[in-house]
Amino acid sequence: SAVISQKPSRDICQRGTSLTIQCQVDSQVTMMFWYRQQPGQSLTLIATANQGSEATYESGFVIDKFPISRPNLTFSTLTVSNLSPEDSSIYLCSVDVTGMGGEQYFGPGTRLTVT
Amino acid sequence: QQQVKQSPQSLIVQKGGIPIINCAYENTAFDYFPWYQQFPGKGPALLIAIRPDVSEKKEGRFTISFNKSAKQFSLHIMDSQPGDSATYFCAASPFGNEKLTFGTGTRLTIIP
Repeated sequence: SAVISQKPSRDICQRGTSLTIQCQVDSQVTMMFWYRQQPGQSLTLIATANQGSEATYESGFVIDKFPISRPNLTFSTLTVSNLSPEDSSIYLCSVDVTGMGGEQYFGPGTRLTVT
Repeated sequence: QQQVKQSPQSLIVQKGGIPIINCAYENTAFDYFPWYQQFPGKGPALLIAIRPDVSEKKEGRFTISFNKSAKQFSLHIMDSQPGDSATYFCAASPFGNEKLTFGTGTRLTIIP
């Protein structure tokens, strides 16, 4: 398994601003993922972040809105840009510790409220 | 074809009972099927997972049953406790692909 931390745990942001979420893992991992979970809903994959390459975005998510950095094997950031109330959600990072696909461990999440 | 359908949406069981949560999939390329447990305000925690080469896997009080021909899998919780009250998500990923597709979730309540 892996110990994953996220900062901030929650934030309230004004419309039009941006929020950068940090994800730190206690071991080196190849695959890191960013998800969005709206309250009471399931998880939706935003993008996959591999160290040393551009993030791969899922349908409906674009780099201009959700830029991602992955500077090393233990850290990643997700920025949610030009915030609107529709961006209010929980953002989660996860890691695949095996590198073989499937076995993902999640951080505690960042709860974002946009006013 | 990428969907994973989960039922029921919510479930209330008395302590000691055996809640059963079901998932069905269409994509025959799926070959890894985990279950996650999520408490309010927390991230999902990997509970148990199965691959299609076995029909059942047990870890403690949690059991996955897998029916490859029916493309269905289910989670059983033996001797359920109020502390098991949480939202449970099934998921699936294809061979060689790290992307998980999640079910819609089941809110489980165990009443004393």
